[in-house]
Amino acid sequence: GENVEQHPSTLSVQEGDSAVIKCTYSDSASNYFPWYKQELGKGPQLIIDIRSNVGEKKDQRIAVTLNKTAKHFSLHITETQPEDSAVYFCAASGDIYNFNKFYFGSGTKLNVKP
Amino acid sequence: EPEVTQTPSHQVTQMGQEVILRCVPISNHLYFYWYRQILGQKVEFLVSFYNNEISEKSEIFDDQFSVERPDGSNFTLKIRSTKLEDSAMYFCASSTQGGTYNEQFFGPGTRLTVL
Repeated sequence: GENVEQHPSTLSVQEGDSAVIKCTYSDSASNYFPWYKQELGKGPQLIIDIRSNVGEKKDQRIAVTLNKTAKHFSLHITETQPEDSAVYFCAASGDIYNFNKFYFGSGTKLNVKP
Repeated sequence: EPEVTQTPSHQVTQMGQEVILRCVPISNHLYFYWYRQILGQKVEFLVSFYNNEISEKSEIFDDQFSVERPDGSNFTLKIRSTKLEDSAMYFCASSTQGGTYNEQFFGPGTRLTVL
């Protein structure tokens, strides 16, 4: 089955700096890669996703890149703010059947220092 | 904004007891899921549910687990005889449809502690 690895496990940056979180996946059939943000006491919330037919996607300060050949994808957050502090999860899926099963990375705890 | 809700937020039980974790998915969603996260480990898929039946389950989802949609709004996960290793955060999720590129909305989770 699919295996998603995520690095780093913790990341501390100064406010205004950029943060990059990287994930690799093992199943070349995977074709959908969402990123979730989890704040304390809340469930994971989707912040951005990318499909396999796209190499990069951007939404304001957040961008995701995908390299299908190398089987890795990354989350980039620019101009970080304290409210970006949270745990971030990458995931991969690509079930050819109807019902999506997400394979998650182990999470990155991002701390943005004011 | 509609959201998935879960109750209770924290459940403590004795080993061997039955527990039922409850979820209210977003009202117009048709596909429902349970995931769990053991402390310090990855979020793991347990089961997906559509049209009143299980559509897919993982190897974790053995005979001790069952899911049910008892009415038009609730979606429950039952663990018949809890074990210490069932201690984890359990997340419910729902989506409007299945298939690729479909966003799953997650609830805040229920922390299950088995003593």
